[in-house]
Order: sequence, then structure tokens, then C-alpha cells
Amino acid sequence: EAGVAQSPRYKIIEKRQSVAFWCNPISGHATLYWYQQILGQGPKLLIQFQNNGVVDDSQLPKDRFSAERLKGVDSTLKIQPAKLEDSAVYLCASSPLTAYNEQFFGPGTRLTVL
Amino acid sequence: AQSVAQPEDQVNVAEGNPLTVKCTYSVSGNPYLFWYVQYPNRGLQFLLKYITGDNLVKGSYGFEAEFNKSQTSFHLKKPSALVSDSALYFCAVRDHGGTSYGKLTFGQGTILTVHP
Repeated sequence: EAGVAQSPRYKIIEKRQSVAFWCNPISGHATLYWYQQILGQGPKLLIQFQNNGVVDDSQLPKDRFSAERLKGVDSTLKIQPAKLEDSAVYLCASSPLTAYNEQFFGPGTRLTVL
Repeated sequence: AQSVAQPEDQVNVAEGNPLTVKCTYSVSGNPYLFWYVQYPNRGLQFLLKYITGDNLVKGSYGFEAEFNKSQTSFHLKKPSALVSDSALYFCAVRDHGGTSYGKLTFGQGTILTVHP
């Protein structure tokens, strides 16, 4: 079974530039999550999709972050414009539609904002 | 609001000795509890979970965890540590009665170092 795929793995940008991350979840997983993991901290949920609808985006900085999940499969997360404090690892995860199921994580994208 | 605390930033053990990584949680209802491990430059890998039933849960790579409702704890354990167990460990919780499927709250992580 193929895992969660993410690209790019690394990205370096200047502040005020824009950047986009891509995620392909495990086939058949209805739920998709984007997390932000700042160095030395645990992952923090940014947004959660169920199929192609948003379930929770309460911690997404909506003035600069956006995400979409077209056709309920792949997803993109965008930051525009980036700030220094956005430097982090962005993790995508997916899970089946049952609440007690574990989440499967991709390798992450390490973003450095200079 | 749900929360997780991992009171130790770092745990050091000698190879062959037992290890414990501590976790306490807070939820309004019954919890779903998870342990994940993260190796350098890699995503999180699932180790084990508690949903219901036996308080002692067994997972991957010889790890187990004990759910203690009265102490609101879910400590990760292994009888005999390996150098290859050295990694960053995260405890996570989800409220059983929550309306948001699968939303996890993570602790800040514990670095486990196993010395040869």
C-alpha cells in the first residue's frame, strides 16, 4: 500500500513570497489533514478535510494560508505572503472516515523563510 | 478543550534496560489515545492506540502503553530498549465525544536516547 506523498520535500523562500505544498493521501482515505510542526513542538492541526469539505480550519491563519482538496483526493496548501514565523515542517496526513482510526503521515515539507 | 502533556523533554536509558515515556491528558469525555514516533527528516509513524477495553495496549516494535483513567495517563513502555529506539515520541489525544472526526491534539514530544 502506497503511503501519503508530499512535495516538495524542502523549500526555501524569501519573506513575502508565496509557496504551495502538495499532498496525495492514501487511496480511499476520506479524511485529510494539514499540520504545522515548528521545531521543538508537536504538530498543530491547520485544516481538516472530510472528502472535499472542510471540517475544521479554526487554527488556519486565513489571512495568509489557504487550502483546497479538489475532487476529494489531492490537496494543496498555500501561503501568501510568507512570514519568518512560517518556517516549519508542514505535514499531511490521511485516515479512513472512522474517528478511532490512526492517521498516516507523509514525510513532510520543510519550509525555511528567510 | 483537549490537551496533552509530556513532562519530560528528554529520556535517557541504557540499551537493554526498560524505558518509560510519560504522557498525561485532559479531555471532556472519554479519550482515544495514540503514540507516534518520529525519526529525523521523516513523518510520524503510528505505534499504538487505546480505544476501549484492556488498559494495557501492545503495539509495534515491542512497545506497549498503559491507560490509567484515574491518573489520566497513557505512559509508553518497553521492557528492553534498543539503540534503534532513539527517536522523538509524541503522545496524542482525541475526545471520544467530539464532533470533529479524527482531530488530534499532540504533546510537545519527548526525545528518547538509548545509549549502547
